[in-house]
Amino acid sequence: GQQLNQSPQSMFIQEGEDVSMNCTSSSIFNTWLWYKQDPGEGPVLLIALYKAGELTSNGRLTAQFGITRKDSFLNISASIPSDVGIYFCAGQRPTGNNDMRFGAGTRLTVKP
Amino acid sequence: GAGVSQSPRYKVTKRGQDVALRCDPISGHVSLYWYRQALGQGPEFLTYFNYEAQQDKSGLPNDRFSAERPEGSISTLTIQRTEQRDSAMYRCASSTGGTGNSPLHFGNGTRLTVT
Repeated sequence: GQQLNQSPQSMFIQEGEDVSMNCTSSSIFNTWLWYKQDPGEGPVLLIALYKAGELTSNGRLTAQFGITRKDSFLNISASIPSDVGIYFCAGQRPTGNNDMRFGAGTRLTVKP
Repeated sequence: GAGVSQSPRYKVTKRGQDVALRCDPISGHVSLYWYRQALGQGPEFLTYFNYEAQQDKSGLPNDRFSAERPEGSISTLTIQRTEQRDSAMYRCASSTGGTGNSPLHFGNGTRLTVT
């Protein structure tokens, strides 16, 4: 089952608005990743975070790895219609292997 | 190949039949993962391999589910005596492996429908 709590579940915003979503966990993760999934496609990696406190940008996207290592957020600035999709956070647990768990997703709708 | 390839893309089977889902990872990728994704949900971990070794199978729902990766490349996820609740999108992902800097790259999945 899901080990990451992702919120909000869905968002309806106007084109041009900024968006923020986050993921929390009761467990520590040593990597946080954010993916976007379009209908009929597999998740595509947007941003990867590898250090607590790390703040990384990719165009209009900014993500941060929380200091406690138990949370992460993703911001999208000046949203555009093609931002529509489902955004997933994923975390890699510090178990000495490559175990990766996903949040339940945030469904983003952007109204032109 | 250039990306993770899964086959078949769609599989419809009758309850009680066995199915085998195939994943061809990105060439050279050490780690291979199987996830199951219900509509509107995030991928749910099933199992994963480093090379041919199955590292963790704790996410497999029950003993009808098994996976193998005998030569450390292509993997097969097998579901025996399928049930309607097995209907879902099954996704494979691969990564370069190692701890840290190895994000997953996903295939387009196999949509399984059990009637």
